[in-house]
Amino acid sequence: GAVVSQHPSWVICKSGTSVKIECRSLDFQATTMFWYRQFPKQSLMLMATSNEGSKATYEQGVEKDKFLINHASLTLSTLTVTSAHPEDSSFYICSARAGGGTGELFFGEGSRLTVL
Amino acid sequence: GDSVTQMEGPVTLSEEAFLTINCTYTATGYPSLFWYVQYPGEGLQLLLKATKADDKGSNKGFEATYRKETTSFHLEKGSVQVSDSAVYFCALTWMNRDDKIIFGKGTRLHILP
Repeated sequence: GAVVSQHPSWVICKSGTSVKIECRSLDFQATTMFWYRQFPKQSLMLMATSNEGSKATYEQGVEKDKFLINHASLTLSTLTVTSAHPEDSSFYICSARAGGGTGELFFGEGSRLTVL
Repeated sequence: GDSVTQMEGPVTLSEEAFLTINCTYTATGYPSLFWYVQYPGEGLQLLLKATKADDKGSNKGFEATYRKETTSFHLEKGSVQVSDSAVYFCALTWMNRDDKIIFGKGTRLHILP
């Protein structure tokens, strides 16, 4: 089946630094990717919809200047957590839909961010 | 708006017990319904899905039937194992358009040996 890969799987950074997480669709093109955040022992929260070649659409309450999303190509979307703080520590998951936008949704393995 | 509601956890069962995790939805149109599973420290995995009314999805001994009349998609397993301990998410999306997936809040399942 289709594969979505995230990198890095784990990242630890100091408060105030920025961290970039990549999400790649390895064997299909994805015009749209989605970024989710998961707090410990809680549900997934949709952060934004990443559209190739255009600006991301952010959900209400998500700071777009804090969480920069870039969808530079049909196989790559990046999430950059800028000036990270301990409260940004979380599990970030991306997903992409195969089949030209109408197919099954596949998820990355997730990236765990710990901000010290 | 569109939403998914699933029973709150944690759910704790003994091994070989029968499992039901309830899921109901509110949605416009004809969504597809999914159950995803997240094992400790891992990302999401698709467990099963159903794309139209009365379809039954099944995988690894788990089953769920798409009930349009009751807008439900309850997850069941006849005999759970310790390895089934995980968080289970009910979700919906529309396969005929490129739209986001809507998740329930997740149900944590603990299986005791």
